Amino acid sequence: EVQLVQSGAEVKKPGESLKISCKGLGYSFALSRIGWVRQMPGKGPEWLGFIFPSDSDTRYSPSFQGQVTISADKSISTAYLQWNNLKTSDTAIYYCATRLQGNAAFNLWGPGTMVTVSS
Amino acid sequence: DIQMTQSPSSLSASVGDRVTITCRAGQNIGSYLNWYQQKPGRAPKLLIFAASNLQSGVPSRFRGSGSGTVFTLIISSLQPDDFATYYCEQSYTTLGTFGQGTKVEIK
Repeated sequence: EVQLVQSGAEVKKPGESLKISCKGLGYSFALSRIGWVRQMPGKGPEWLGFIFPSDSDTRYSPSFQGQVTISADKSISTAYLQWNNLKTSDTAIYYCATRLQGNAAFNLWGPGTMVTVSS
Repeated sequence: DIQMTQSPSSLSASVGDRVTITCRAGQNIGSYLNWYQQKPGRAPKLLIFAASNLQSGVPSRFRGSGSGTVFTLIISSLQPDDFATYYCEQSYTTLGTFGQGTKVEIK
């Protein structure tokens, strides 16, 4: 089955580090960009950035540049989203998504990872 | 960022109703407009890409139209499974932006 599998929910304290993952199954992971989306409670989605796993070329939204790091290991078909200094405002659901078969839009989404940052 | 504005923010409708959602872009984005459906606790699901192309597996009661700055999503006959929040997204720029969403509720 073609799917994106995300790591489980996390509860962290402000200032801590975190790395969440997104594993692609059933398709050529390296050939399709992987994007990361933030959805804060009760709000619409926002793109953080995306990566091309084939060469790790990464693009960030200006709003998130320097706040998060996106990476990928194509050998294990996994993309990552990382924070070095979490803030309470990072509390949200984080989705990964990809464009399969050259689709013009992101047509495959992971189930999301809930990240809670609280003192 | 290109601002995307949806209207209405919410609506109440009955099963069988025709529902129209509008999305306006802050600048000309050609046909680089996608529509997603999201249900509580679930990831967004792509319905329409490139303004008017139905994603595989999506029922034909969903139709997208428009170009430039004004776009429309029409649900021709609302079904119980369609009660959800709908988002437009521009993919004209390298990183897209979403509208604020339209919540479709049961009347």
